[in-house]
Amino acid sequence: EAQVTQNPRYLITVTGKKLTVTCSQNMNHEYMSWYRQDPGLGLRQIYYSMNVEVTDKGDVPEGYKVSRKEKRNFPLILESPSPNQTSLYFCASTLERGTDTQYFGPGTRLTVL
Amino acid sequence: AQSVTQLGSHVSVSEGALVLLRCNYSSSVPPYLFWYVQYPNQGLQLLLKYTTGATLVKGINGFEAEFKKSETSFHLTKPSAHMSDAAEYFCAVSPLGSGYSTLTFGKGTMLLVSP
Repeated sequence: EAQVTQNPRYLITVTGKKLTVTCSQNMNHEYMSWYRQDPGLGLRQIYYSMNVEVTDKGDVPEGYKVSRKEKRNFPLILESPSPNQTSLYFCASTLERGTDTQYFGPGTRLTVL
Repeated sequence: AQSVTQLGSHVSVSEGALVLLRCNYSSSVPPYLFWYVQYPNQGLQLLLKYTTGATLVKGINGFEAEFKKSETSFHLTKPSAHMSDAAEYFCAVSPLGSGYSTLTFGKGTMLLVSP
């Protein structure tokens, strides 16, 4: 089954404790993105990747890091989480630029205390 | 920079009534346009998309949208609402000819369907 998986689905942590949210897709997609969703703000892109070892900032990259060492994986790293990073995070992947469907993961709900 | 405006954070309709969710975009060049739906506690699912060609686009679950360049709009409609349509709907745009695959989303419209 074609899918995007994220882990963990739910995470409660404390300020400053490094964490990683994993994202994996089994569709051999080149393009992957991370978004955060906040009430009243919709989804905002954090980082995206066009291919292995190629990443770039989205609209709200501050406080986040990503890596793309393998085509299928695109982890999101919070080196020192803060309460304003409490949000719902989605990973997405796309085969082609622009026109093609973005496939979204199920989401990770992060709470930073 | 592109932006997407969805008019109304909440829209309420009765079952069987027409659904109309509004989306306007700002872009000097018509972008690619998308509607996504998010059911409670789930990720986003593509409803329909416009890239080129026919301006009336049909999607899943009986939804359709019409691209109107002169109005910079891409409103989503469904003739008859079902209870199962209750969800949050997001309009999104992707720059035409962009060098990467990215979407700019609107803030979303929650569709409420009453019996």
